[in-house]
Amino acid sequence: SQQGEEDPQALSIQEGENATMNCSYKTSINNLQWYRQNSGRGLVHLILIRSNEREKHSGRLRVTLDTSKKSSSLLITASRAADTASYFCATGANSKLTFGKGITLSVRP
Amino acid sequence: DTAVSQTPKYLVTQMGNDKSIKCEQNLGHDTMYWYKQDSKKFLKIMFSYNNKELIINETVPNRFSPKSPDKAHLNLHINSLELGDSAVYFCASSHDGVTEAFFGQGTRLTVV
Repeated sequence: SQQGEEDPQALSIQEGENATMNCSYKTSINNLQWYRQNSGRGLVHLILIRSNEREKHSGRLRVTLDTSKKSSSLLITASRAADTASYFCATGANSKLTFGKGITLSVRP
Repeated sequence: DTAVSQTPKYLVTQMGNDKSIKCEQNLGHDTMYWYKQDSKKFLKIMFSYNNKELIINETVPNRFSPKSPDKAHLNLHINSLELGDSAVYFCASSHDGVTEAFFGQGTRLTVV
């Protein structure tokens, strides 16, 4: 069953701008993760936030988690053309990772 | 060294054929998965194995049979291929099933 639902489904921004992507989920989780997928490639893990954490940073990435609203956001600051990819949230629970449908981010040079 | 490798990268076959996809991880992880990604990029878990034991089977048709000879390998055999099986299949591994997963490059299966 579908767990994470990202929005927007597609996002187009100018290089240098910030990109914000949101994810909502339905059930209790151990953690929430974000992955990136470049065209024709496998998914690459970006960041993991545990259910007892509210915010986490990694380089240009900032993730927030609101377990009361069952939602998370991924902020990419100072975007680059190389950030163009699909981004997925995934929830870790019950011995498995369940992925959302993904967000397509296009960063225009 | 590639952490999770799967072969082949591309597979084109006729309906009704049987095919296999192989996956190996050298990360020492206990958990391995198979995911199916459709044309809309929706990624759906098919199977999860922990230390060679099947722990998750997400209502996948019986034509799909995973096999894990040891915890570093998880192969996927598909019988009587159908047009709807066309997709990209990803193998992945993680330490415990819920933390960071490492993905293979994917196998693009096209059934004609």
